[in-house]
Amino acid sequence: DQQVKQNSPSLSVQEGRISILNCDYTNSMFDYFLWYKKYPAEGPTFLISISSIKDKNEDGRFTVFLNKSAKHLSLHIVPSQPGDSAVYFCAASAGGTSYGKLTFGQGTILTVHP
Amino acid sequence: ETGVTQSPTHLIKTRGQQVTLRCSSQSGHNTVSWYQQALGQGPQFIFQYYREEENGRGNFPPRFSGLQFPNYSSELNVNALELDDSALYLCASSLGSLAGGELFFGEGSRLTVL
Repeated sequence: DQQVKQNSPSLSVQEGRISILNCDYTNSMFDYFLWYKKYPAEGPTFLISISSIKDKNEDGRFTVFLNKSAKHLSLHIVPSQPGDSAVYFCAASAGGTSYGKLTFGQGTILTVHP
Repeated sequence: ETGVTQSPTHLIKTRGQQVTLRCSSQSGHNTVSWYQQALGQGPQFIFQYYREEENGRGNFPPRFSGLQFPNYSSELNVNALELDDSALYLCASSLGSLAGGELFFGEGSRLTVL
């Protein structure tokens, strides 16, 4: 039972354009969502998060949008840079003392071409 | 500030053997979570330790066990290894397990079971 799904295994964009990575979830108890980036031979690194009381959170070039009714979130990267090429995971947690217990999607490989 | 370190980075075991993986948490962090990442998949939550007590467990059998020490470092033990246990094992530390407690991941231990 895949509670967090990233349906696009890969995404390719040109440098300077927008990258949009999508994520869907099924568990209504999830109330905190995060995006992690992973380079080969490194552990995942935190990018940005959003609480279910918000519908948007920005941090520099990265913006996360949350649509609770559709159980959908997306990560926008503008402008995309070659250094953004990595695997991106969305993750969710269900509140209380569960915030450290994340449910991850399968990941999307982003390639940004110069 | 020292980040999360894991050892060993790579190891090969045979089916039926036992393995111990080690993790040193980031300085000041009192919570450690372990994740299993199979090839092509997102990380899956195994369990979390908070102040030396198990604080939640994912859908893994009892042959997966753990410990957290007074200095907050941690071990993951897997008994009776099976071929499907081949994966990247990630350790993540955080300060507490509540919202905003961003997880900091180590580079992982790559286990191959033959």
